[in-house]
Amino acid sequence: KAGVTQTPRYLIKTRGQQVTLSCSPISGHRSVSWYQQTPGQGLQFLFEYFSETQRNKGNFPGRFSGRQFSNSRSEMNVSTLELGDSALYLCASSPRGLDNEQFFGPGTRLTVL
Amino acid sequence: DAKTTQPPSMDCAEGRAANLPCNHSTISGNEYVYWYRQIHSQGPQYIIHGLKNNETNEMASLIITEDRKSSTLILPHATLRDTAVYYCIVSPNTGTASKLTFGTGTRLQVTL
Repeated sequence: KAGVTQTPRYLIKTRGQQVTLSCSPISGHRSVSWYQQTPGQGLQFLFEYFSETQRNKGNFPGRFSGRQFSNSRSEMNVSTLELGDSALYLCASSPRGLDNEQFFGPGTRLTVL
Repeated sequence: DAKTTQPPSMDCAEGRAANLPCNHSTISGNEYVYWYRQIHSQGPQYIIHGLKNNETNEMASLIITEDRKSSTLILPHATLRDTAVYYCIVSPNTGTASKLTFGTGTRLQVTL
């Protein structure tokens, strides 16, 4: 079974731009979560989607948004990029959303210049 | 979610058992203990989880104290590929709790 895939793997943007990251979960997984990882703050939860509905949300500004499609694929969008948004963005999927065994993708490395 | 305390770093010789401790003294009755690890430049990888009984799988063993205030992850025969940051997480296991709160973890260095 294929693992969680994320595209693109690397991205460079400038301040003020917006960016969309994509995540394809493991087939049959309905829960998709997003995390931001930076050297200073570590791994932080952004949000979780289950059956196209946002079910959990972390403590991030409204510039960070996401959505999930009927095939469980998910996208996250960051608008008006700031230098501090430079990070590794990780997507994780879960079979049923009822437990916390999450399967992580390789991440998208975003650099904001 | 309950907070966890882990040593920032540990060393282990290859072939020996690696015992990684975690304190979670404020854990509540419905919270599970989860262990993940992150090898450099990769996404975190699930290792094991448990509620109150000791657990074992092909990767590791999890020993939880009777009062559930601490636990130990055991890698029975560490290899160089086990060099990673290990995260201990406590979280409820319910339909609305798919969020993981990562701490700073323990950086395990396995050496020859």
